[in-house]
Amino acid sequence: NAGVTQTPKFQVLKTGQSMTLQCAQDMNHEYMSWYRQDPGMGLRLIHYSVGAGITDQGEVPNGYNVSRSTTEDFPLRLLSAAPSQTSVYFCASSPRVWQPQHFGDGTRLSIL
Amino acid sequence: SQQGEEDPQALSIQEGENATMNCSYKTSINNLQWYRQNSGRGLVHLILIRSNEREKHSGRLRVTLDTSKKSSSLLITASRAADTASYFCATRASSGGYQKVTFGIGTKLQVIP
Repeated sequence: NAGVTQTPKFQVLKTGQSMTLQCAQDMNHEYMSWYRQDPGMGLRLIHYSVGAGITDQGEVPNGYNVSRSTTEDFPLRLLSAAPSQTSVYFCASSPRVWQPQHFGDGTRLSIL
Repeated sequence: SQQGEEDPQALSIQEGENATMNCSYKTSINNLQWYRQNSGRGLVHLILIRSNEREKHSGRLRVTLDTSKKSSSLLITASRAADTASYFCATRASSGGYQKVTFGIGTKLQVIP
């Protein structure tokens, strides 16, 4: 049972490039979310999804897109990378929003 | 803006001592959760307390919730070096944004052997 799998683990981008951070879970969880973690700011919610085909914005959605075509996958797209998006990105899932979340090990993203 | 704020932001104690971390939040909540994060890893869920509960225990962990003060505390008793980690509270609002789970900035705990 893999839990929540995030790929890649590390990535370096140039300003203006686009990329997709992958997140997959094998627990049949309905609720999935993306957070970014920056020093001194804790975790901030970027986007979340309560089920396949349904997504919504969190606290810091600008510059990011998501889609949820299947229950298992919840990719996060950076449209045009900016240095301010340098961060550690975490994907999480839970059966329902009110239940404990399972986290992946993160993607460490640097934008030059 | 973030819902929860932990206090203190950093805590250093000797092995065997108790560690207490506090979390304050802004709006009415449905439940409050505590998570732990070891360096370089994802968060791991520790304990969940519902808004109608005042205290909950799990092993060496004790969580209290005071909804009138919009605050919670996490007590780790008889700490061990392996408890060194960052601890976060997370809340789910009871209305308006109730589908969001938001985290505080965390308390970094160091347990010295």
